[in-house]
Amino acid sequence: ETGVTQTPRHLVMGMTNKKSLKCEQHLGHNAMYWYKQSAKKPLELMFVYSLEERVENNSVPSRFSPECPNSSHLFLHLHTLQPEDSALYLCASSQEAWFFNYGYTFGSGTRLTVV
Amino acid sequence: QKEVEQDPGPLSVPEGAIVSLNCTYSNSAFQYFMWYRQYSRKGPELLMYTYSSGNKEDGRFTAQVDKSSKYISLFIRDSQPSDSATYLCAIAGTKAAGNKLTFGGGTRVLVKP
Repeated sequence: ETGVTQTPRHLVMGMTNKKSLKCEQHLGHNAMYWYKQSAKKPLELMFVYSLEERVENNSVPSRFSPECPNSSHLFLHLHTLQPEDSALYLCASSQEAWFFNYGYTFGSGTRLTVV
Repeated sequence: QKEVEQDPGPLSVPEGAIVSLNCTYSNSAFQYFMWYRQYSRKGPELLMYTYSSGNKEDGRFTAQVDKSSKYISLFIRDSQPSDSATYLCAIAGTKAAGNKLTFGGGTRVLVKP
């Protein structure tokens, strides 16, 4: 596989559930990102990892917990979410953190619905 | 005031027309200007990248940056139904300035056959 792959594509979870989103990139990039895309709102940066170290936490509630075990994999662990957390969660990667020359490569996202 | 403003549309045009999209921004430190295209149920994909000011052309696509007016544009010539998508502008400053990539809300474009 090439590019950035996200699983699952769709997820429905109750407010008391615990689930995880997975992202994998096959581009040899050193930086990975989690973004949240809600209806009628711009993409919101959640977390940035550079060489497996978290370098940005954009005031995200603790019910979202990222994990980056290596430079190719990124997880977003979810627990006790709220209905307003329903959104499209996008993973992206780039050669280096905040390296814009070739843009970010995005996955297709996980559509999360919290019931 | 939002850092990046973009008309949400939708913008409906007939096939073959020129599509004109734009964003305004507030931070004069922004140096990197990008346009992404996002199809339904897909992630954004980079369409055009410009550093600093000026024009850039790639096939049917032209990106313009006017830093004095804090205004960027994307033009799509000879539009096709396959150009129907949401177009996101994305802008950033220098890494040293600590600026992150900031996205506009996106403009939905519909090209009718």
